[in-house]
Amino acid sequence: GAGVSQSPRYKVAKRGQDVALRCDPISGHVSLFWYQQALGQGPEFLTYFQNEAQLDKSGLPSDRFFAERPEGSVSTLKIQRTQQEDSAVYLCASSLETRFNSPLHFGNGTRLTVT
Amino acid sequence: KNQVEQSPQSLIILEGKNCTLQCNYTVSPFSNLRWYKQDTGRGPVSLTIMTFSENTKSNGRYTATLDADTKQSSLHITASQLSDSASYICVVSASEGWNTGFQKLVFGTGTRLLVSP
Repeated sequence: GAGVSQSPRYKVAKRGQDVALRCDPISGHVSLFWYQQALGQGPEFLTYFQNEAQLDKSGLPSDRFFAERPEGSVSTLKIQRTQQEDSAVYLCASSLETRFNSPLHFGNGTRLTVT
Repeated sequence: KNQVEQSPQSLIILEGKNCTLQCNYTVSPFSNLRWYKQDTGRGPVSLTIMTFSENTKSNGRYTATLDADTKQSSLHITASQLSDSASYICVVSASEGWNTGFQKLVFGTGTRLLVSP
């Protein structure tokens, strides 16, 4: 596709349910990032992949959050036993290269609402 | 702590007018500074990227400046259009993870711009 694609666009989960959010990066992009964006705030870093390797997961808020990118392309962010504080927009971004000024291309996000 | 602060929080201007958005940062070690435009319900879109040695960069009606000594940046929008209504986010990259080229981005909370007809 032409850009980063995320699905679903919206997700409503009852507290305690597990959810899985999908990111299809731009084909051939090496780097993939997940961010969490609360209402009215800037995105906050969750985790980073270089191909299939998860090089940094320091931003994951708890062990209920898990991300994978098994074949170095599509990535899934899983949240177990969702809590109300998990409600946010989850953004995925990818870049072609790993160099520092490589542009990031963002998806439109998945808006998660936990009731 | 690495921080990026933006001002004003929100701004309303008339179509055709110019405006300037401000960004101050305390990110270290500094790698580059980016401005993004985020429309409601969409992901951020890159406007400019500036490294330490660049002090100005333009992209159409958008001009970004960077003063690495004072750790300040501005985004100037010329001849505003209704479609400029969006949040503008200043993002600073810390050069962590040097070996992996990993970009640790620190996002500001954005300036919400409304261009009124």
